[in-house]
Amino acid sequence: DTAVSQTPKYLVTQMGNDKSIKCEQNLGHDTMYWYKQDSKKFLKIMFSYNNKELIINETVPNRFSPKSPDKAHLNLHINSLELGDSAVYFCASSQDLGGVGYTFGSGTRLTVV
Amino acid sequence: AQSVAQPEDQVNVAEGNPLTVKCTYSVSGNPYLFWYVQYPNRGLQFLLKYITGDNLVKGSYGFEAEFNKSQTSFHLKKPSALVSDSALYFCAVRPRNSGNTPLVFGKGTRLSVIA
Repeated sequence: DTAVSQTPKYLVTQMGNDKSIKCEQNLGHDTMYWYKQDSKKFLKIMFSYNNKELIINETVPNRFSPKSPDKAHLNLHINSLELGDSAVYFCASSQDLGGVGYTFGSGTRLTVV
Repeated sequence: AQSVAQPEDQVNVAEGNPLTVKCTYSVSGNPYLFWYVQYPNRGLQFLLKYITGDNLVKGSYGFEAEFNKSQTSFHLKKPSALVSDSALYFCAVRPRNSGNTPLVFGKGTRLSVIA
């Protein structure tokens, strides 16, 4: 069983569209995260949620809206996609906010054309 | 705010030779330190972590790292490199007792092991 799973793995879409990426973890962790990896491979935190509650929003445009229906899921919805949104998005989880180790999903490669 | 520096974009080493991937950090107080590896088109895989105790930490695939508080460094090492070690390596840090502060990553170092 995959510990942190993301869908889809690849996503190609046109500018202006709205799309969602889903993330699920079966580790029983309380805290989940979204990271963005840009074309230069730099990893930057976007959001963190603890037990369905938003904890961190790192000045991400409000076109990005995370949603956590329960503590095992953290989905990312993106409105009005722009070329600059093209990146690999990684979901991760940790046991709790103070959790030392993160488990990462395999990533979603988003390409906006 | 915490930060991580990986001064080398690329490290090349011959198979069988020792390898070192450098990492220095800046954080308030004592750190938790990590190394992750990313193979092409894959997610990040955990290699090792320093929490407390022995400064020399051993991890997966024969890798190890040494925490040096005075130099604020956490360099990744392996005595004998394999071609299969070729990948992108990330150092990460968060302060101990940091509450909700997430992991902050360095920009990554691409390791190329040549046969």
